[in-house]
Amino acid sequence: AQTVTQSQPEMSVQEAETVTLSCTYDTSESNYYLFWYKQPPSRQMILVIRQEAYKQQNATENRFSVNFQKAAKSFSLKISDSQLGDTAMYFCASPLPGTSYGKLTFGQGTILTVHP
Amino acid sequence: GAGVSQSPSNKVTEKGKDVELRCDPISGHTALYWYRQSLGQGLEFLIYFQGNSAPDKSGLPSDRFSAERTGGSVSTLTIQRTQQEDSAVYLCASSLTEDSLTEAFFGQGTRLTVV
Repeated sequence: AQTVTQSQPEMSVQEAETVTLSCTYDTSESNYYLFWYKQPPSRQMILVIRQEAYKQQNATENRFSVNFQKAAKSFSLKISDSQLGDTAMYFCASPLPGTSYGKLTFGQGTILTVHP
Repeated sequence: GAGVSQSPSNKVTEKGKDVELRCDPISGHTALYWYRQSLGQGLEFLIYFQGNSAPDKSGLPSDRFSAERTGGSVSTLTIQRTQQEDSAVYLCASSLTEDSLTEAFFGQGTRLTVV
């Protein structure tokens, strides 16, 4: 079975500062994908960033980047220059091993609040 | 449509009643997923459709839950004889293909409250 764990139920950051959200996972697969999703109050889940495990380079999307530590099974999300619109719940997710389709396992989520 | 559309946005129903939740995926997306988001259980996979077929129904919590998809497009999740523990946000997602790397686009969900 695959588990995804987010140990920070809530985080807060001042506007323009940097914050890091943590995620650990457990899998027996040799190759897999990892995702961070954002869920604002509108409830719509939005893909923020994705990482393929066989790629050693950390993924980056504008102000969002990941620190992928494969050996430690850690996949943290760094948000730089935080903006008020980043306030949301963030989920770490990965497809369940052994499936060829996008059946996702999600972490428990981290509520991020950006303060002005 | 431009995005995944779910209706109704909110639904309050009495215990024991049946409810139908609708999902309109992005046009041309062959894969469709239903998830449930509740306070106690977090986000849980319910069912996966490839076209009109449901090769994975493993997440449906009981036989009161069923889903169908017609024309490779619209999907309906039906909950019969609703219970209070069915109260949750039901999210639908679609993706162009079933490949696990293909981005899944989510709707805004239906918040179901059973009273």
